[in-house]
Parts: sequence; C-alpha cells; structure tokens
Amino acid sequence: QAVLTQPSSLSASPGASASLTCTLRTGINVDAYTIYWYQQKPGSPPQYLLRYQSEADKQQGSGVPSRFSGSKDASTNAGVLLISGLQSEDEGDYYCMIWHNSAMVFGGGTKLTVL
Amino acid sequence: QVQLVESGGGVVQPGRSLRLSCVASGFTFVSYGMHWVRQAPGKGLEWVAIISYDGRHISYADSVKGRFTISRDNSRNTVFLQMDKLSADDTAVYYCAKAASVGANRGPGFWGQGALVTVSS
Repeated sequence: QAVLTQPSSLSASPGASASLTCTLRTGINVDAYTIYWYQQKPGSPPQYLLRYQSEADKQQGSGVPSRFSGSKDASTNAGVLLISGLQSEDEGDYYCMIWHNSAMVFGGGTKLTVL
Repeated sequence: QVQLVESGGGVVQPGRSLRLSCVASGFTFVSYGMHWVRQAPGKGLEWVAIISYDGRHISYADSVKGRFTISRDNSRNTVFLQMDKLSADDTAVYYCAKAASVGANRGPGFWGQGALVTVSS
C-alpha cells in the first residue's frame, strides 16, 4: 500500500468547489504530519500551493489565492485541498507530499478537470 | 525575485555518471535547505534528495541511495547532484527546489525549470 493515495482524476464545474484528498496509509496518523500541496500544469514545473499541519500552523504559498485552502479529515486519515470558486486555469495535476521516515514522499497525483 | 537555474542535463549511457548544478539567486541561499525532485516522462513527482542549509544534514530516496550525492557550495549559491551508475530508470526531468521556509525538513517551495536527463545507449 502506498504511503499517500490520491484519486487519479476529478472533474468539477466552473464556480464550484473541489476537494482533493490525500489519504495516508493505515498506521500513519494524519494528525502527526504536515501536508504539502503542489499544482503542476503541462510543460511547467510544479508550483507550491500551501502546507497544512493545523489551523495554527499553516502556510500559503507566495501569490497563491485564498480560495486554495488546506485541512485534514481525521475520520478518513486524509489531508484535503479545497479549491473554491473553480476557474478554468485551475486545471492541472495536483500532488500532496509529507516528510516520512527521513524522506519526502509524494502522492501519485490527481488530474483536475474543470468543465 | 527567486530564480533557480539547473544545468548539466543531457544524454548519458547506462552505467555512466552525470553532475547537475543549480544556481540560486533572489534569496538568502545560506538560510534554506534545498531539494532535488525528478519526474519521469508522463509520470508523477519523485523526491530525490534534500540538503540542509549548512550541508550537515542530508537525506536520499531509497531509489538513489548509494548512487547519488547531493552537495552545496554556499559561496557560489549552488547546489549539486552527482549521479553515478545511471540506469534507464533514472531518465527524468530533474528539478532543483528551494525549501518553502527555513527550518529542518521543510518541503519544496520554489522550483526551477528543470534539467532533462536521458539515460540511453
């Protein structure tokens, strides 16, 4: 079982909200980890969106709109990236990442389509 | 503004070596950890290595441990990735990235444009 599991794809309509999940492997407690989120568009390097540990410990990437926000869902042991007011420019691949066992680990990524 | 410029990529035969460089500007280089992250064609992101601001703390992905070496020269605002015993599985775009904030084990923040490494005979 992978350390981090992301849905391979997600579709949502313009103006709607999208919740992208990043589920941690059983036995790895999401409460103990800071979740990083990245957006990547075709032909471009990834862009840092935010990191989220708790409401008291979070960071928004430079220039990243506030409609991108992070949270955790303890019931599903997952980190969540919420994108509100979806725009066509939000289409792309989204990756989560944690620091685990002295290494950074990425999820497999979610392809977000806005249509 | 922050800039990271990678160089040293190219085509290399299996079993050979290659050294990537990443020159940083626009921020206080000596204060930040630095990462290398790679992405194989059509695939997701794979973290490769991290080096602390002072070079004293280093970690590697299991897939490259013992073959790759990360280092930095703070006098030249440059981070390096020495890659030995390369195989086709190492074919990827290699990104240099600045840690998102100061402190230990901070994830990548700003990323460079990447350098393509192709391992092929």
